[in-house]
Amino acid sequence: QSALTQPASVSGSPGQSITISCTGTSSDVGSYNLVSWYQQHPGKAPKLMIYEGSKRPSGVSNRFSGSKSGNTASLTISGLQAEDEADYYCCSYTGSSTFYVFGTGTKVTVL
Amino acid sequence: QVQLVESGGGLVKPGGSLKLSCAASGFTFSDSYMSWIRQAPGKGLEWVSYISSSGSTIYYADSVRGRFTISRDNAKNSLYLQMNSLRAEDTAVYYCARDGFNSFDNWGQGTLVTVSS
Repeated sequence: QSALTQPASVSGSPGQSITISCTGTSSDVGSYNLVSWYQQHPGKAPKLMIYEGSKRPSGVSNRFSGSKSGNTASLTISGLQAEDEADYYCCSYTGSSTFYVFGTGTKVTVL
Repeated sequence: QVQLVESGGGLVKPGGSLKLSCAASGFTFSDSYMSWIRQAPGKGLEWVSYISSSGSTIYYADSVRGRFTISRDNAKNSLYLQMNSLRAEDTAVYYCARDGFNSFDNWGQGTLVTVSS
């Protein structure tokens, strides 16, 4: 099971919107609406931001939203803030014995 | 509140063994699915293993299958990862995480495993 493909880096100015893509296959992202997204600040544990493709856990800002089209899932951050600067990872359920696969990760920089 | 605390990491020689533990509190551990996830220094996240609430269903990443064993003790609210035949590429921070809605909704702080001679 290969890692899901994410852009290595995405940047934006404060207040702007950015979108991070997460491309898998018809066996993982394309087959299930079970993509999750995680934010990780340096030296910290990851934090769940989106689950089941588009749902936000309690306490996560509504500036974060998720969607999917075909084999590609996306995370959009609107109204970009300095605190959003972090690494972001997608993850998909695979339905196979390898169960879960993470994306390659995207570094978000706030200019 | 939910708390997950990993322990057992350290320095081990290639071919050696190590057992990680994760102590859970603040939720009903025996009803929860759990996973181990690792992150090599400067690299991305890699899912390692999953165990169902009863321990009857277990999955492994191809990279660790046959070498690592996940287990749990619901009476002790604890999750374990027995790692054998360790390789340099197993060097990573290992996180335990609660699996809810096919996502990892709570994570521990991680424990560092270094495999080096």
